Amino acid sequence: EVQMLESGGGLVPRGGSLRLSCAASGFTFSSYAVSWVRQAPGKGLEWVSGVSGSGGSTYYADSVKGRFTISRDNSKNTLFLQMNSLRAEDTAVYYCAKEIRLIAGLGGMDVWGQGTTVTVSS
Amino acid sequence: QSALTQPASVSGSPGQSITISCTGTSSDVGAYLYVSWYQHRPGKAPKLLIYDVIERPSGVSARFSGSKSGKTASLTISGLQAEDEADYYCSSYASSSTLVLFGGGTKLTVL
Repeated sequence: EVQMLESGGGLVPRGGSLRLSCAASGFTFSSYAVSWVRQAPGKGLEWVSGVSGSGGSTYYADSVKGRFTISRDNSKNTLFLQMNSLRAEDTAVYYCAKEIRLIAGLGGMDVWGQGTTVTVSS
Repeated sequence: QSALTQPASVSGSPGQSITISCTGTSSDVGAYLYVSWYQHRPGKAPKLLIYDVIERPSGVSARFSGSKSGKTASLTISGLQAEDEADYYCSSYASSSTLVLFGGGTKLTVL
């Protein structure tokens, strides 16, 4: 079964750091780009960051650029999101999602995790 | 970069058809064929319904269809069913500092 499973969410003080992980299974992980998408309470979906299948190309939303770092370990089929200098507005459910192509952003995301909740206390 | 523009809500009766619009700019929806649509029910993972404007992943009902004209993409749901009640989001590749844009979401109510 094709699956994505996030972990690492929790309560963190403003200005703090958190590292999210996403374990993938059931497909050739290195053949697809993967992204993080978040949903703040009462808000819509927001794309956060994406990485190509090789890990060589990374992309960020303006709202997190310079604070978040996406990476992947293809040997362990795992995606990461290092979040630093966290703000109240980063409070959200964070989803990892497999994209349909090797290059990030092109096409759509066909496999999603159930999400992990990040709460930044002010 | 602003989010793509969707109506906040739409409604329809069982058996009817509805269309949700998604308006962008010449830097995203208007420039590329990388528009996708998602169904999102509360507490669940989003589900890909349409990719590349018109393509349907295997397993997605043929009642869902996509189209695009200029800077506006559309999702049509035909033969509305109670189970279609959910939030729907469009997304597009964007040639800007933010690679992917989502719409603000549309809440579908089946009357």
